[in-house]
Amino acid sequence: AQSVTQPDIHITVSEGASLELRCNYSYGATPYLFWYVQSPGQGLQLLLKYFSGDTLVQGIKGFEAEFKRSQSSFNLRKPSVHWSDAAEYFCAVGDLNAGGTSYGKLTFGQGTILTVHP
Amino acid sequence: SAVISQKPSRDICQRGTSLTIQCQVDSQVTMMFWYRQQPGQSLTLIATANQGSEATYESGFVIDKFPISRPNLTFSTLTVSNMSPEDSSIYLCSVVSGYGYTFGSGTRLTVV
Repeated sequence: AQSVTQPDIHITVSEGASLELRCNYSYGATPYLFWYVQSPGQGLQLLLKYFSGDTLVQGIKGFEAEFKRSQSSFNLRKPSVHWSDAAEYFCAVGDLNAGGTSYGKLTFGQGTILTVHP
Repeated sequence: SAVISQKPSRDICQRGTSLTIQCQVDSQVTMMFWYRQQPGQSLTLIATANQGSEATYESGFVIDKFPISRPNLTFSTLTVSNMSPEDSSIYLCSVVSGYGYTFGSGTRLTVV
């Protein structure tokens, strides 16, 4: 069964510092990977996704992520964090290739809460 | 990407009652998904809803507790039945569109 691990429950960075959020996945085939952000009281917003091709993907709000098959990782990065980036971040793997009833299922990691200090 | 309207955005309910959550999508989609996010937790898939067929439930979720309707390709409802305080969560619907997975804004349910 597919699974996602986000090792860091809570990360604190200073505004302007660089950021890397870790994500490791377990999936039997080529994974479809996503990063979502959830601000307090808000829904989920897609930051970026990886389906195939270039392993470095660019997203919204200046975020990028790199898919590393050998490490089963899809870490999210941002070179300079803004106070408005404070939120919870979820990595997810999509079961887009499966047949039957599990088609399209998304499995989420536990989330990483990002706090930004001024 | 698809746009989802989810209602209600929040509700406070008495234990033993039921709440029906609605999701309306601005385009036709084959599958809709319902997730639960318990306080401080990640999202867990409740069920997958196809139009014209019974929903498929994940382990730990049953139809009697979470009945789902999917009358057409743009609409679905999730009912949380016979609620207890343990059902206090955020419930979200989701669809697969060309851009990926889109989520509704969520329903924050508190059971007292």
